Amino acid sequence: SQQGEEDPQALSIQEGENATMNCSYKTSINNLQWYRQNSGRGLVHLILIRSNEREKHSGRLRVTLDTSKKSSSLLITASRAADTASYFCATLSNQAGTALIFGKGTTLSVSS
Amino acid sequence: DSGVTQTPKHLITATGQRVTLRCSPRSGDLSVYWYQQSLDQGLQFLIQYYNGEERAKGNILERFSAQQFPDLHSELNLSSLELGDSALYFCASSVVETSRPYEQYFGPGTRLTVT
Repeated sequence: SQQGEEDPQALSIQEGENATMNCSYKTSINNLQWYRQNSGRGLVHLILIRSNEREKHSGRLRVTLDTSKKSSSLLITASRAADTASYFCATLSNQAGTALIFGKGTTLSVSS
Repeated sequence: DSGVTQTPKHLITATGQRVTLRCSPRSGDLSVYWYQQSLDQGLQFLIQYYNGEERAKGNILERFSAQQFPDLHSELNLSSLELGDSALYFCASSVVETSRPYEQYFGPGTRLTVT
């Protein structure tokens, strides 16, 4: 079962614009992670935010976490065509140790 | 390059057959995870091994099994294959379960097509 649910399912923007993706989850978490997947390839870890953090930055990425609303957002600033990919949020499974439970992902298309 | 390798990249086989997928984790990582990605189910956790021992099970069918060997590579065995088993199978590894966060490093995946 999915723990995280991303919104929107798909997002199309122009190069240079910002892209915001949201993730909601169901249970309490220790941390939340965002991953990127280029078409048909392996997932790449982008950023991790701990439950006691509210905001974290990494390059053009900004992640926020609101544990009271059980939600997180990923902002990509000044998008590039190379950012075209699917983005997933992931949390630790409560039943399966350190396994990750992924949302269904947001597919981002950045056109030049 | 994540440092996690998976072979083969593609597999095409018939229903009822058995296949073995192989994964080598990043150097030093003791935990190996297997995930299945399909259009209808999304990314689903199957099973985790830690230093040779099964650590956790997810949505893994009884027809599927896995093991982790002393050199830490892992194999996922899929038997009595059905059309619905067609999917991308990913292996991921992570650092030892200590106080470190549990980011995982994914291999490139094996695309299984059952015909």
